[in-house]
Amino acid sequence: DTEVTQTPKHLVMGMTNKKSLKCEQHMGHRAMYWYKQKAKKPPELMFVYSYEKLSINESVPSRFSPECPNSSLLNLHLHALQPEDSALYLCASSSGLRFGEQFFGPGTRLTVL
Amino acid sequence: AQKITQTQPGMFVQEKEAVTLDCTYDTSDQSYGLFWYKQPSSGEMIFLIYQGSYDEQNATEGRYSLNFQKARKSANLVISASQLGDSAMYFCAMREGNSGTYKYIFGTGTRLKVLA
Repeated sequence: DTEVTQTPKHLVMGMTNKKSLKCEQHMGHRAMYWYKQKAKKPPELMFVYSYEKLSINESVPSRFSPECPNSSLLNLHLHALQPEDSALYLCASSSGLRFGEQFFGPGTRLTVL
Repeated sequence: AQKITQTQPGMFVQEKEAVTLDCTYDTSDQSYGLFWYKQPSSGEMIFLIYQGSYDEQNATEGRYSLNFQKARKSANLVISASQLGDSAMYFCAMREGNSGTYKYIFGTGTRLKVLA
């Protein structure tokens, strides 16, 4: 099974809402990633959970917070987002080893009104 | 400094022809990995091919091959016998860091359009 699943596929939320994005993999990978991708731009790394250690892109605002309940799940909690946060949010996983490629989920298209 | 450079914002290729997408990179690491991903309009990132810095032979995966020139720090993707379904955005990426804390850096992408 080389699948990374993400839910929901689409999300529309207001600026005062609290929502969560979910990502799951069953490949036994020890590293999971959240990326933000704006239209016609490359993915921008937000967070990495690797071997139970969190690495944060310093430019990511605190209204985004990751949570890793177990090694197969990586959630992204959203609170008080801004319209400029509207983007495609991609989750990925990799073995965390030297030759492990990243496998991506289908993404969540987020619209903040 | 930009670590992954893709100089072709857009490319056209005739169906059944071959096309080369350029990628140059910059790193001081001796051990690194280079990847190519395809992103159709649906948004999903599809892994295509991988080249390790110590691999002596160029990687190949079906119609995809990677022209790896280490001294020139280039890792160009060659797609042979282009198909209409190859129309998509293509990203070159580099993995950097140490085991357990790898991060992936993406280039700005090349949008490929295959013409019938």
